[in-house]
Formats: sequence, structure tokens, C-alpha cells
Amino acid sequence: EPEVTQTPSHQVTQMGQEVILRCVPISNHLYFYWYRQILGQKVEFLVSFYNNEISEKSEIFDDQFSVERPDGSNFTLKIRSTKLEDSAMYFCASSWGTVNSPLHFGNGTRLTVT
Amino acid sequence: KNEVEQSPQNLTAQEGEFITINCSYSVGISALHWLQQHPGGGIVSLFMLSSGKKKHGRLIATINIQEKHSSLHITASHPRDSAVYICAVRSQYLNTGFQKLVFGTGTRLLVSP
Repeated sequence: EPEVTQTPSHQVTQMGQEVILRCVPISNHLYFYWYRQILGQKVEFLVSFYNNEISEKSEIFDDQFSVERPDGSNFTLKIRSTKLEDSAMYFCASSWGTVNSPLHFGNGTRLTVT
Repeated sequence: KNEVEQSPQNLTAQEGEFITINCSYSVGISALHWLQQHPGGGIVSLFMLSSGKKKHGRLIATINIQEKHSSLHITASHPRDSAVYICAVRSQYLNTGFQKLVFGTGTRLLVSP
């Protein structure tokens, strides 16, 4: 069964550094998402992406964050200057795009900012 | 107040028991998802429903739109069912392909042999 893949599974970075989290969504899906889960807290929506542009973003998704689909397969989340509070599990997800199409999640990238 | 509330927060059961996890929400929705999060952190979609009932194997999900309530049932529970079960809702204003979800805090289930 096709799946969403995320790399790396764990990223450790120093405060102030830039990180890029990578995702390969399911190939025929049209909608792409990033969600975040701080340890011990609930999953939160960050951003959705459709037709090569951001369709919606949350308050969390400030100017430090950006997303890109640089080619036909990858979907990336960049954090320009990481803060300690960016430490979390970041989930990429994708869906085909009809009302009833399910959401497929990747296994997540655990980001640790020291 | 959280838009999505789950109960219980933690649940322990003996293998073979029937399990029910509840989800209540306070907003209008177009769909409700039940998700399973494994100890390693990965999330798997179990159900997406907007009315009635769905069944997959030993899992059953029901939703009552009028009461803004959904339940996830596990029949004949097994230790491999141990995970965090999360309820998430999609706003009624997003009855399109978008799957922007608001998540509950999850129910941690431990099934002992």
C-alpha cells in the first residue's frame, strides 16, 4: 500500500539553525499538510498546501516557517531559525482531495532543538 | 474549552475485553476521524465518518451528529491494540477536499495479556 515517507526520523539541531524536514506524499495525492505534536500535547495543524501554494496556515506557522514542493514528489517544511519551543514531532500528511478521501500520515520527524 | 474532548484519558483492559472510547466536540463538523498513534509516534487513520457507523475488523466507530458525540469500540481487545487513540474533527465549513483537523488529546489504551 502506498505510504507517506518522512526523512529524517530524528533531527537534532542547535538553536538558531535552519532545518528542513522532508516528506514524500503519496504520488497521486493533491493536498499536503504539516502537523506538529509537542511532547505530551495534542497534534496541531500547521499548514495545508494545494496547487503549489499555501491554502491555509495556523497562527503557529509564522514567518520562521515555510513550505515548498520543489519537484513533483517532495514536500518540505523549513524552519529558518529554530527555537527551543520548536522541539516537537512533525507529521506530514496527504490526501487525494475528495470530501471523503482519507488522510494519510507519515511516521513523523522528531525535531530536537538544543 | 477544548473543541474536542476525549474520555477516558487513560484506559487499561485485560485481553478480550470490550473497549469503548468516547469523543465529544463543540463545533459543527463535516467529518470526524479516529486515528491510532503507536508508541513510536506514527499515526494511522482508522476511520473517517460523517454519519452512522463504520466497522473494520474488530473496530467499530459510531457518530451521533445531533449529540456531537462519537465512540470507538474495540471488540475482543488484544495487547497489540495498545496505543493512543485520537479523535479529530474537520470543520463543517470545510466540506471540501481539505482535511484541516482539530485534534483531541487522545486516549492511552493499555491491554494486558
